[in-house]
Parts: sequence; structure tokens; C-alpha cells
Amino acid sequence: DAGVIQSPRHEVTEMGQEVTLRCKPISGHNSLFWYRQTMMRGLELLIYFNNNVPIDDSGMPEDRFSAKMPNASFSTLKIQPSEPRDSAVYFCASSYALAEAGTDTQYFGPGTRLTVL
Amino acid sequence: AQTVTQSQPEMSVQEAETVTLSCTYDTSESDYYLFWYKQPPSRQMILVIRQEAYKQQNATENRFSVNFQKAAKSFSLKISDSQLGDAAMYFCAYRSISNFGNEKLTFGTGTRLTIIP
Repeated sequence: DAGVIQSPRHEVTEMGQEVTLRCKPISGHNSLFWYRQTMMRGLELLIYFNNNVPIDDSGMPEDRFSAKMPNASFSTLKIQPSEPRDSAVYFCASSYALAEAGTDTQYFGPGTRLTVL
Repeated sequence: AQTVTQSQPEMSVQEAETVTLSCTYDTSESDYYLFWYKQPPSRQMILVIRQEAYKQQNATENRFSVNFQKAAKSFSLKISDSQLGDAAMYFCAYRSISNFGNEKLTFGTGTRLTIIP
């Protein structure tokens, strides 16, 4: 299995620009998670989907952030407009959720390092 | 809300020796999962080991083992025969199992492990 795939690996943009991060989960997994890692706040969940439906988006910092999962093999996290404080590493993770037992282990992608100038 | 505490920001160990990383957590739930993830300089989050709270037996994966003390809410990671490749940030994480749809991982702040040749 190829694992969770994220693109781009690095993104440098200027304040005010739109940024789109992409994620392809492991085939067969039905839960997808977006995390952000910063020095100040550590690793925090932004949003997660189950069967392509957003379940918990309470971690999305503000309306500038949006996430979609149009099908089981693709998700995007968009920031518009971007700000310097959005600079972080963004991780996508996926897992296989069993309805009666909760989710199994989450497997992480390599992350996207975003720098907003 | 659950919290995870890693009180050791940095640890070092001589190659081939044994080191223990500490993790404590706070929860009112009786059933849950605990994880240790490793993040080497490549940034990739790699699962090291997981423990189901309902299992009394401590999990073991090759040179990695845990000391799970449920009553004390403690979940330490022991690395035996430390190798240079073990150098990384190690994150302890908690996940609820009681409610489907509450699948997010709550992470500690991490412990940076250095291996001394």
C-alpha cells in the first residue's frame, strides 16, 4: 500500500493568497483527518470525515479554512485568504472506522509544510 | 475534555541502553486507546505502539514496550537497546472509544529523544 499521500510537500505563498492542500487516504479507509502542527500549539485536529461526511469541524480555526471530501479517495484543505499565522505543518491521516467499536489506528501522511510570507 | 501530558521535553540515552519516556493523561472515560507516535526529522508521524485500555497486558512491539497503569493514568514507553534510528520526537496520544464519531487523537507536547553514539 502506498500509504497516505499529501501534496504538495512544501508550499510557500504570500499573505492573501489562496492555498489548497491535498490528501489521498489509504485505499479502503473510511475516516480522514486533517491535523495542524505548530510549535506553539503542538498537534491539533482541524476536521475529520467519516464516509466523506464531515463529523467534527470544531478545530477549524476560522472561516478562512474549509475542507472537502468529494469522494473516498480525495480530500482538500483550503485556506483563503492565507495569513502568516497559518504557517505550520499540515498532516492528513486516515483510518478504517468500525461503527460498533470506533476507529482503528490512524496512519499519517508525510505532511505539507506551509509558509505564508 | 481529555488531556495528555508529557513532562519530559527532552531525553537522551546512550546507544544500546534503555530509556523510558513518560506520559500521563486525564479522562473520565473507562475505555479508550493510547498510542505512541514517533516523528523523526523527516516529519513523518509513525505509529510505534498502541494499547487498548481494557487490556491489562502491556503492549510490546520488538524493542518497544509500554507500562500501562490505568489507575494512575500513566502510559510510559520503554525503548530497549536504543539505536541511532530511534532519535526522534515521541508523542503520546489518547483516543476515545466510547462514542463512534469521537475519533480525534489528543496529543501530548512531545519528548525529543537524542541517542548518544
